[in-house]
This record gives sequence, structure tokens and C-alpha cells, in this order.
Amino acid sequence: AQSVTQLGSHVSVSEGALVLLRCNYSSSVPPYLFWYVQYPNQGLQLLLKYTTGATLVKGINGFEAEFKKSETSFHLTKPSAHMSDAAEYFCAVSPLRGGATNKLIFGTGTLLAVQP
Amino acid sequence: EPEVTQTPSHQVTQMGQEVILRCVPISNHLYFYWYRQILGQKVEFLVSFYNNEISEKSEIFDDQFSVERPDGSNFTLKIRSTKLEDSAMYFCASRGRSYGYTFGSGTRLTVV
Repeated sequence: AQSVTQLGSHVSVSEGALVLLRCNYSSSVPPYLFWYVQYPNQGLQLLLKYTTGATLVKGINGFEAEFKKSETSFHLTKPSAHMSDAAEYFCAVSPLRGGATNKLIFGTGTLLAVQP
Repeated sequence: EPEVTQTPSHQVTQMGQEVILRCVPISNHLYFYWYRQILGQKVEFLVSFYNNEISEKSEIFDDQFSVERPDGSNFTLKIRSTKLEDSAMYFCASRGRSYGYTFGSGTRLTVV
């Protein structure tokens, strides 16, 4: 069964420092990959997604992620953290490339804290 | 930008009562989903819906749960007899032909 592992349930960085949130997936075929952000008491907002094409994907708010098939990874990065980036980040996969369901399977989330 | 709208934003109900959570997906989307997130835990898939029928459901989605798309615009999740452990944030999502899943802002259900 497909699964998503996010290493580090809590990550703390200083403002201006590099943000690196890790995501590894388990799938027999490369899935579609997503990062979502959830601010306190809010819904899930799509940051970026990889479906096909370029493996380096740029998203909103300066975030990007690189799909590495050989490492089964899709880590999220941002060169310089901002206080407003403090939130919970979820990696997700859609394991099927066809069919009516294509549900998202979420990782357990990483809570990002940004210190002044 | 098109949005998925969920109502109510908060609902408190007594154990054993029926609740209906409502969602208005994006109008040209074809695939609809319900997820839930128990406080402090990950987002879990409940059910997917396509072409007016359930296409997949998780183990969580037992006989107490049902979904409907009664009028071509609304998409509802009904819990027939709520339990304390049903307390969670429930998210509706819709998707078009591309893989752009759009989530609503959620309904926080509290069962007392």
C-alpha cells in the first residue's frame, strides 16, 4: 500500500534560514505528489504539486520541491524563512494515475516554527 | 479563484444525534471527497464520489456515514448517530480533470 513518511513532526528554524521539510513516499509506481499548508484553525492550501514534467516544482510563497525518483523523495524547501511561514505542512500522494478515485494519502505533518 | 464552500464552520451535537455536513464543490469539478482530521492527527481519507456514486471508501466510513449529491451542486456527508470519537475537522475537496484538489475550510464537529 502507498504511504507517505514525513521525517520530523516539529521543525524549528530562525527567520531568514533555510527551510527543509522532508517527505518520502512508498509506491510501486511514481505517484503524483503534493504539499499542503495548514495555518491554525484553517483549511488546507495547496503549496505545489508534481504530476509530470520538470522534477523541480515551484509553488506559492517562495516554496519549491524536487521529485527524486531514485530516492522516492519530495522534500520541500524555501531559501529564507519568514515568520508568516509558521504553520503545519502536509505531504500527500495520489497513488493512481487513472480511475475515478485518486484519493490523496497524507503524511502525518510537520509543524514548522520560525524563531525571530 | 474558485472555492469549495463548507457549512457550517462549527457544529456541536449530542452523542447519538444525526448531523449533516454540507459542501458546495467547484462547479465544473467531477470528483468529490470527504476527509477528516482528528485534533492533532493527520488528515484521513473517508470517501470519494464520482458520477453520482461512491467510488471508494475507507474503513472509517462505516454504515453510520453516507454521502449524497442531491441537487447537482451540494455534496453532503451525513453521520446518522454520532459518537464522541466522531469529533474532528471534516474537509470536503473537489477535483477537476487535472490533479488540482481544492479543499474547503472545514467543519469542526464536536460531539458532546
